Amino acid sequence: GAGVSQSPSNKVTEKGKDVELRCDPISGHTALYWYRQSLGQGLEFLIYFQGNSAPDKSGLPSDRFSAERTGGSVSTLTIQRTQQEDSAVYLCASSSDGPAEQYFGPGTRLTVT
Amino acid sequence: KQEVTQIPAALSVPEGENLVLNCSFTDSAIYNLQWFRQDPGKGLTSLLLIQSSQREQTSGRLNASLDKSSGRSTLYIAASQPGDSATYLCAVTASGTYKYIFGTGTRLKVLA
Repeated sequence: GAGVSQSPSNKVTEKGKDVELRCDPISGHTALYWYRQSLGQGLEFLIYFQGNSAPDKSGLPSDRFSAERTGGSVSTLTIQRTQQEDSAVYLCASSSDGPAEQYFGPGTRLTVT
Repeated sequence: KQEVTQIPAALSVPEGENLVLNCSFTDSAIYNLQWFRQDPGKGLTSLLLIQSSQREQTSGRLNASLDKSSGRSTLYIAASQPGDSATYLCAVTASGTYKYIFGTGTRLKVLA
């Protein structure tokens, strides 16, 4: 079956612009995660959705970052007024339940010029 | 606050060697631990998931163990091959939550 997909695969934007990154999880997976991986760094947790529960937003680095998950499926990560330090690969993962095995998408490489 | 450390940061071995990668975490209140590999420029591929009640999991040449009380996991790779070259990451759930905290990885190079 289809895995986790993310779009776009690459995004170049100018400083100060808003960007939207999309994640399509595996069908039926109730948990969805967003992570950020900066060059040479480990994965940084951003936000976690589980079913209809309130998302865990504790990893969002500033109020410029927000995420939604519509209908318990597709998720969009929005970064407003992008800064150069936002440049990173943004990875999405889904799992059948909160603590179950995570499956990752290929990521979106964001470059802020 | 859960913190995850992986040692060594990098490892280079000749083909055929058995090797061990280490992962340690500071808070034993985890739901599970997962090992991944990441190839350059790619996403993460799940290798093994160990639930908190388990001691080890095996898949092919890979064996992962978990000692929750001491906050340690090891990933054992038998008879390493050049195709095993990648960065290996471990992740554990943060204290009492379902969100995952990742280590910074071990970059493995297997020489032909």
